[in-house]
Amino acid sequence: EADIYQTPRYLVIGTGKKITLECSQTMGHDKMYWYQQDPGMELHLIHYSYGVNSTEKGDLSSESTVSRIRTEHFPLTLESARPSHTSQYLCASSDSYWENTEAFFGQGTRLTVV
Amino acid sequence: GNSVTQMEGPVTLSEEAFLTINCTYTATGYPSLFWYVQYPGEGLQLLLKATKADDKGSNKGFEATYRKETTSFHLEKGSVQVSDSAVYFCALDSGGSNYKLTFGKGTLLTVNP
Repeated sequence: EADIYQTPRYLVIGTGKKITLECSQTMGHDKMYWYQQDPGMELHLIHYSYGVNSTEKGDLSSESTVSRIRTEHFPLTLESARPSHTSQYLCASSDSYWENTEAFFGQGTRLTVV
Repeated sequence: GNSVTQMEGPVTLSEEAFLTINCTYTATGYPSLFWYVQYPGEGLQLLLKATKADDKGSNKGFEATYRKETTSFHLEKGSVQVSDSAVYFCALDSGGSNYKLTFGKGTLLTVNP
């Protein structure tokens, strides 16, 4: 069982609110990722990190921001939520020491902005 | 750049039918290949993987063989169950210090009793 946790599982919030999606892992993994999953199931990488104080933008442009102050924690923040941000957000982590290792995923946060 | 192309769904089968989901890839070097599964309302979990050519990954009755000559990693299962209903993602990892996973678009499988 993967030791990576996302909170909340579901969030309904009004337009203009600031939100933070939490992601924590207890496996000591250096690499962490945020994916946005559209209704058609496709995964889009929006942010990733190779370690503390490292953050990079992914393949899909996103208005969200991330931080990596501690190895185990990789929160995603939206300063002003909009209906277009409604989506499923998946956090993942992997071990950078060994190449070609699997990524472990959290259960996801389903965000609805009304 | 790296890319993964997998069979578009949805795929609907009857219980005990044979399953194949095609996956082909484009990558530099010698990538590792993965199949992930996503059950309804959940995140992704690793189903199987293969790290070099001709390796066969297997788990829960599913199999996939890393074919470098055809750049393919097709997922197969001889007899599907209702509980196999899920979304299946093919993925590759090209390795190196800056690697990240590249996913296919996912294939929705529904198995009817």
